[in-house]
Amino acid sequence: GESVGLHLPTLSVQEGDNSIINCAYSNSASDYFIWYKQESGKGPQFIIDIRSNMDKRQGQRVTVLLNKTVKHLSLQIAATQPGDSAVYFCAEGGGGSNYKLTFGKGTLLTVNP
Amino acid sequence: NAGVTQTPKFQVLKTGQSMTLQCAQDMNHNSMYWYRQDPGMGLRLIYYSASEGTTDKGEVPNGYNVSRLNKREFSLRLESAAPSQTSVYFCASSGIAQSNSPLHFGNGTRLTVT
Repeated sequence: GESVGLHLPTLSVQEGDNSIINCAYSNSASDYFIWYKQESGKGPQFIIDIRSNMDKRQGQRVTVLLNKTVKHLSLQIAATQPGDSAVYFCAEGGGGSNYKLTFGKGTLLTVNP
Repeated sequence: NAGVTQTPKFQVLKTGQSMTLQCAQDMNHNSMYWYRQDPGMGLRLIYYSASEGTTDKGEVPNGYNVSRLNKREFSLRLESAAPSQTSVYFCASSGIAQSNSPLHFGNGTRLTVT
């Protein structure tokens, strides 16, 4: 079946730098995308979502970019902080059904002081 | 608000034992979900409840049963635990299953079956 993947399994950045985490999706029918952050021993925490009628959406220190032409999603974190260290994963869905979300495997972000 | 609360946080079972994982949400959400998370794999849906009184199978339902006790609570039962069910189990909720909106997750139950 269709699946969501990540380009990089690990990412190490310096505190204060900007981070970019990438996600490729293969289902061209997907029209809803979510980013989650998961800290060790905790459940996934919602960061930001975007629908396919948008190319970009900004939150607090985070920006999600959607490129439907190449089926690519990215999460940009500005001024990365040690508290941003976690696994980040994307999910894709569509058809108006939350129970059809497909989750990626995740990228481990490590922020070095 | 506590959000989504799961109990217990940790559990060790022997093969063949049964147990129930509890989940409660205080966000007045209609829909609730049970996922499992295994190393190297994305979250996989076990069962979901679109609304009080309804439950449906997800991607990996075999070996599990669920009960939507009321709008707040959604439990997952393992009738005869197997080592393949060693995993981290997450409960989640959302406003409406028949829409696209963020799922809110609990902190998980870490289950080991020996």
